Amino acid sequence: QKEVEQDPGPLSVPEGAIVSLNCTYSNSAFQYFMWYRQYSRKGPELLMYTYSSGNKEDGRFTAQVDKSSKYISLFIRDSQPSDSATYLCAMSLTGFQKLVFGTGTRLLVSP
Amino acid sequence: EAGVAQSPRYKIIEKRQSVAFWCNPISGHATLYWYQQILGQGPKLLIQFQNNGVVDDSQLPKDRFSAERLKGVDSTLKIQPAKLEDSAVYLCASSLDLSSTRQETQYFGPGTRLLVL
Repeated sequence: QKEVEQDPGPLSVPEGAIVSLNCTYSNSAFQYFMWYRQYSRKGPELLMYTYSSGNKEDGRFTAQVDKSSKYISLFIRDSQPSDSATYLCAMSLTGFQKLVFGTGTRLLVSP
Repeated sequence: EAGVAQSPRYKIIEKRQSVAFWCNPISGHATLYWYQQILGQGPKLLIQFQNNGVVDDSQLPKDRFSAERLKGVDSTLKIQPAKLEDSAVYLCASSLDLSSTRQETQYFGPGTRLLVL
């Protein structure tokens, strides 16, 4: 079993849809949870990070962490074609060190 | 602010050949990381430097991979000899300071795509 599981997709949605991206994990000691966006031929860029459980909102993006279920989610409201990218979840015991990444979910938002 | 620079962007070699990748981190960033991202997978950390010292190389295949950061700025990652399974994108990332009490974000470069034939 991989430490972090993520559906590779692709996930295709129409513009304006609400998108839900998810990861599950096996290590209950993880404390930091991140979401990265990676455009084709580019490196990952940090979208949001959360410490421990709870929700965090930033514009159209909301990150949720449910440590009891070992499940994290990223919601994108009013999705745009520019949101088309691969979304990677990552997590760690100690902040931004020793990140363990999921495989990434490819998102396609059609106009 | 200039981002993390990497070169070359693409490289094709035959198995058993050697190859080297170069990374120039964001100015002032003390911590530098090399990741391997195989197609369809997330990045996997190979090695982490703090200035010119190695912090973590536990996942670096040391029989064929080596990395250095001699002056605490630029870094090179070398593979010798390359195998087919080394085909991947090699990402370099940097962050401000591992010793900082703040949570320092990693900034990634565009990566070098390696194809081993």
